[in-house]
Amino acid sequence: SAVISQKPSRDICQRGTSLTIQCQVDSQVTMMFWYRQQPGQSLTLIATANQGSEATYESGFVIDKFPISRPNLTFSTLTVSNLSPEDSSIYLCSVARTLPYYEQYFGPGTRLTVT
Amino acid sequence: AQTVTQSQPEMSVQEAETVTLSCTYDTSESDYYLFWYKQPPSRQMILVIRQEAYKQQNATENRFSVNFQKAAKSFSLKISDSQLGDAAMYFCAYRSGSNFGNEKLTFGTGTRLTIIP
Repeated sequence: SAVISQKPSRDICQRGTSLTIQCQVDSQVTMMFWYRQQPGQSLTLIATANQGSEATYESGFVIDKFPISRPNLTFSTLTVSNLSPEDSSIYLCSVARTLPYYEQYFGPGTRLTVT
Repeated sequence: AQTVTQSQPEMSVQEAETVTLSCTYDTSESDYYLFWYKQPPSRQMILVIRQEAYKQQNATENRFSVNFQKAAKSFSLKISDSQLGDAAMYFCAYRSGSNFGNEKLTFGTGTRLTIIP
């Protein structure tokens, strides 16, 4: 498995500001993902962040709103910009291993509340 | 596009009993992976069990087992000897077997499992 940490674990932010979430993995991984989980809902993929390439965003998510950095194989950041109350969610970092078989692991999540 | 359906928003089971959570999916692919994840109130997503579509044998992990019916596109999770710590939201997830940009997991809407002492 992989041990994933996220910072901060939770935050309360004001409308119009930004929050940057950090994701640290205990070993090198190629594929990293950022998910959003709105209250009482399932997980929705925001983007895939592979090292050495630009992040790939899912439909409905844009780089200006959710810029992502992936400077190396163990670290990534997700910024949620120009916050509105609708951005209040849990944001989860995830990594995948493909050998010997495909498995995907998740960080503990960051709970964001926008006031 | 693939879809994953969990038709049971909530389930409950008596402690030590067995419960089955259902999941169906829709895909035109023949090679794929299926997963069950558990999310307790602490919100940490935990991988419970994994099934490769090419394997006919149902996966088993201790008290957790699956009933994988490929033709019916069904992937249910059976929890035996339910324990209080099994109380959580359970998500079924699908992942394409292709490695060309389809690595993402598609999740169902989840089933909230309550364990009755």
